[in-house]
This record gives sequence, C-alpha cells and structure tokens, in this order.
Amino acid sequence: SQTIHQWPATLVQPVGSPLSLECTVEGTSNPNLYWYRQAAGRGLQLLFYSVGIGQISSEVPQNLSASRPQDRQFILSSKKLLLSDSGFYLCAWSVTLHTEAFFGQGTRLTVV
Amino acid sequence: EDQVTQSPEALRLQEGESSSLNCSYTVSGLRGLFWYRQDPGKGPEFLFTLYSAGEEKEKERLKATLTKKESFLHITAPKPEDSATYLCAVQAPQAGTALIFGKGTTLSVSS
Repeated sequence: SQTIHQWPATLVQPVGSPLSLECTVEGTSNPNLYWYRQAAGRGLQLLFYSVGIGQISSEVPQNLSASRPQDRQFILSSKKLLLSDSGFYLCAWSVTLHTEAFFGQGTRLTVV
Repeated sequence: EDQVTQSPEALRLQEGESSSLNCSYTVSGLRGLFWYRQDPGKGPEFLFTLYSAGEEKEKERLKATLTKKESFLHITAPKPEDSATYLCAVQAPQAGTALIFGKGTTLSVSS
C-alpha cells in the first residue's frame, strides 16, 4: 500500500531564516505531488504541484519554492522566512493530476 | 465569490442524532467531488469520490450523495469518534485546474 511521510511535524523558525520541508511517498511510481497551505478559517490553498522529476508548477506567487529531486520526493523551501509564512503545510499525492489526493500528516510552521 | 460553500460551519450533535452536512458548488461541468475528514492537527483523510448526479457512496456511518448543485454527507447515528472537520473539494471542468476546497464543517458529537 502507498504511504506518505512528511516531516517535521512542528517547526518554529525565526524571521529571515531558511526553510526546508520534506515529503516522500512510498509504494507508488511517478505520483503527482502537491504542497498545500491551510490557514485558519480558509480552505486548503494549493502552492505547488509536480507531475515529474524537476517539473514544478506554482499556483500562487510567494516567498516559497519547491523542488522534486527524485520521483517520490518533494521539498518545500524558502531562503528567508516571513511572519506571513506561518501556517499548516500539507504534502499530498495523487495518481491522476488534480483528482483525489492523499495527504501527509502536515507540518505546523510558526515563524517568530 | 466562493465556488465551494460548506454549511453549516459548525455542527454539534448528541450521540445517535443523525444529520447531514452540505457542500454546494457553482462550477459547471463538474468532473468530480471529493469528501475528506480532518482531525485537529492532522492531514485530511480521503473518504469518497462522487462523479455524477445521483451517485451515492457509503462507509460505516457516512453516506455521500451528489446532485447537480450540491453534495450531502449524511451521518447516521454518529459516535464521538466521528467528531472532526469534514472538507469537500471539487474538480473543475478545465483540465489542469487544481481542486477547489471548501472551508469545512466542524462536527462535534457528544456522548
């Protein structure tokens, strides 16, 4: 069966520091991968998605970037965090692009 | 204007008190509607996919239905462990368009 791992679960970072969140999927090949952000009182917002190694699509302009160095690895990064980057970040995968997705357990990021 | 609206925002039920959650959408040419359950501090857990009006899916105490304008998540005889936020999302008709999520309904079931 397929599993998705996302870490760390919680993270507190100072403003201006770098960020790296990692996500890996097991049990499937060539998955579509996604990074979402969930803010209180708002729906899930898609940040990035990837259909293959090195292929990244950005949905919203922001202080963040994503990379896919391996088939089942997806990384969310920032060179300098802003206070507004605080939130709950979720990695997900799907078989077919933009259909039912399966989510990781999320990372609670607090920028102080 | 929100394309996916969930109601109510919050629902409190007694154990055994059946009810329904609503997800209405304005996109035309729906390609799929998805229901998720999310526990506090966790990622959403996939529940159902519905593709066409009249379709129904069931899982334990949950049943999801779909019409041309909305979907219902019926909860029969809920238990405290059904307490969670329920999210719905729609797949827009345009290929390559990301899922559109609603803001969710937070369900609390007390014993």
